Amino acid sequence: QVQLVESGGGVVQPGRSLRLSCAASGFIFSNYAMHWVRQAPGKGLEWVALISYDEVNKYYADSVKGRFTISRDNSNNTLFLQMSSLRREDTAVYYCARQNSLNGFDIWGQGTLVTVSS
Amino acid sequence: QSALTQPASVSGSPGQSITISCTGTSSDVGFYYYVSWYQQHPGKAPKLLIYDVINRPSGISDRFSGSKSGNTASLTISGLQAEDEADYYCSSYTTTSTRVFGGGTKLTVL
Repeated sequence: QVQLVESGGGVVQPGRSLRLSCAASGFIFSNYAMHWVRQAPGKGLEWVALISYDEVNKYYADSVKGRFTISRDNSNNTLFLQMSSLRREDTAVYYCARQNSLNGFDIWGQGTLVTVSS
Repeated sequence: QSALTQPASVSGSPGQSITISCTGTSSDVGFYYYVSWYQQHPGKAPKLLIYDVINRPSGISDRFSGSKSGNTASLTISGLQAEDEADYYCSSYTTTSTRVFGGGTKLTVL
């Protein structure tokens, strides 16, 4: 079935780096733009980044611009989020999501928790 | 990239209808017909309810409907049921091609 599975979360010290992965299955991954969305504990959803189906276009939230990099491997149906210079305020569950229309996230992963703490 | 404005909470009794508003600006909600709505139960991933202001994905009940006027979009849930108790979020495409979410609304079914 159509599925997204995130991995790579964990506890990391401030200033360090972490890479998240999102494995897609059940659909033609290379046909879809993909997003990362995060949710801090007890807080609302925050859009993080977008990558077009062909990796040509990438957009970021101001809060992560210059620190996070979104990428994808269409041959292996995987989405990535490289996070650098991590801050305590980056602590959140990170979700990957598939874009259907220009602003509809129709498939979500289960999320992976990133905790930035010393 | 300021978050869209939603009421923190709304409530209603079973069978009633409620409406959740989502206010943005002329650079997001007001500029495009690309507003979506999500339902999130505790500990679960969000679920798409409405996209492109008014469209429902297959499998979503017609009790959920969306609309937009100017810089404000709305989600209406009719015939409230106990399982509708959840958090609801709106989202919009923006003029810089980024996306923005609302702060979320907690729906309580009395």
